[in-house]
Amino acid sequence: DTEVTQTPKHLVMGMTNKKSLKCEQHMGHRAMYWYKQKAKKPPELMFVYSYEKLSINESVPSRFSPECPNSSLLNLHLHALQPEDSALYLCASSPDPQGEKLFFGSGTQLSVL
Amino acid sequence: AQSVTQPDIHITVSEGASLELRCNYSYGATPYLFWYVQSPGQGLQLLLKYFSGDTLVQGIKGFEAEFKRSQSSFNLRKPSVHWSDAAEYFCAVAPRGSYIPTFGRGTSLIVHP
Repeated sequence: DTEVTQTPKHLVMGMTNKKSLKCEQHMGHRAMYWYKQKAKKPPELMFVYSYEKLSINESVPSRFSPECPNSSLLNLHLHALQPEDSALYLCASSPDPQGEKLFFGSGTQLSVL
Repeated sequence: AQSVTQPDIHITVSEGASLELRCNYSYGATPYLFWYVQSPGQGLQLLLKYFSGDTLVQGIKGFEAEFKRSQSSFNLRKPSVHWSDAAEYFCAVAPRGSYIPTFGRGTSLIVHP
């Protein structure tokens, strides 16, 4: 299995909702990443988990809360989002933090109303 | 300031024609360099990377890139483009010691039949 699987593929939520994005990989990778990509823009790094511990937080607002319950799973919990948070949220993994190559999922397209 | 620049927002080529996508970087020391491709609605896939050594790098799908230190460039090339190459192409850089890429704004490749 060489895939990074993200669910759901699409999500529409209101500003008062709580939702979660899920990312899963079974390649034995020990580093996992969340990126945010606005339309027609490059991906921007949000969080990095290394060996299930948060190693990088790129000054992301607290309404985004990452969680890495085990080495195969990465969640992004969403609460009280704003319309400007609408974007494609990409998960990636690499064999380790010096893995030299990121494997990306196909993303969750999030719309905040 | 450290930066990566893709000067072309769109490139249009005919199927079978050659392709060159430009990428320039501004870093204190030569960074690690990457090219990623993103098809519509998909995640990113690594085409090739340069860390050191031979300045002409071969990648997947028939792509290659040449690192030119004197020009601070890492241009992507393909001798004959196929319709399936239509996608968004991102040049990315990472400081030495870190493999987490920062992406340029992307170049959209349009292929005419």
